[in-house]
Amino acid sequence: DTGVSQDPRHKITKRGQNVTFRCDPISEHNRLYWYRQTLGQGPEFLTYFQNEAQLEKSRLLSDRFSAERPKGSFSTLEIQRTEQGDSAMYLCASSGINNEQFFGPGTRLTVL
Amino acid sequence: AQTVTQSQPEMSVQEAETVTLSCTYDTSENNYYLFWYKQPPSRQMILVIRQEAYKQQNATENRFSVNFQKAAKSFSLKISDSQLGDTAMYFCAFSRTGGGADGLTFGKGTHLIIQP
Repeated sequence: DTGVSQDPRHKITKRGQNVTFRCDPISEHNRLYWYRQTLGQGPEFLTYFQNEAQLEKSRLLSDRFSAERPKGSFSTLEIQRTEQGDSAMYLCASSGINNEQFFGPGTRLTVL
Repeated sequence: AQTVTQSQPEMSVQEAETVTLSCTYDTSENNYYLFWYKQPPSRQMILVIRQEAYKQQNATENRFSVNFQKAAKSFSLKISDSQLGDTAMYFCAFSRTGGGADGLTFGKGTHLIIQP
């Protein structure tokens, strides 16, 4: 499978715990995006990388959220001190030279 | 900031019928890109169709076509000869750069149900 992959697919955690999600983009894509999707809503943009550089961050990305893409390949999204309001689907997408964003299956986070 | 509005939370049509999903947006940009994405149940989002604002011709992809009205800031999706596999959430999205150098701004989505 050469699409965007995300791990884990589901994560249940207790409030206050830290969680980390991983995204592996399509191999030749140099841009990578993170979105958050809550029930009944469209995805909301969080942040985007071009290669290893984080070029844009949404105001939705609070200080408890951090994203990295250390070698310009896979990316991680960490949420510290999780809150119930963080419960959502976290989507990753990547794009190449034609700018079309290809989405992964998402990581569903439930904070108890 | 851009906003995207989808005013139809849910639509239901019979198989083989034609259905039109509505989308309006607000932006001060003159050049931009609009998209329709499909999110089937428990499956990942896929691009259905894309329109560049500088192109007057409406985009078409097989059974899917758009009606792009730039002055009215309207971007509707028409699905002809609808099929059961078209059942999904459909999201309208906006990008300043074509989806490359910025994040997409999505509407809340329309849940389309194709009845047999």
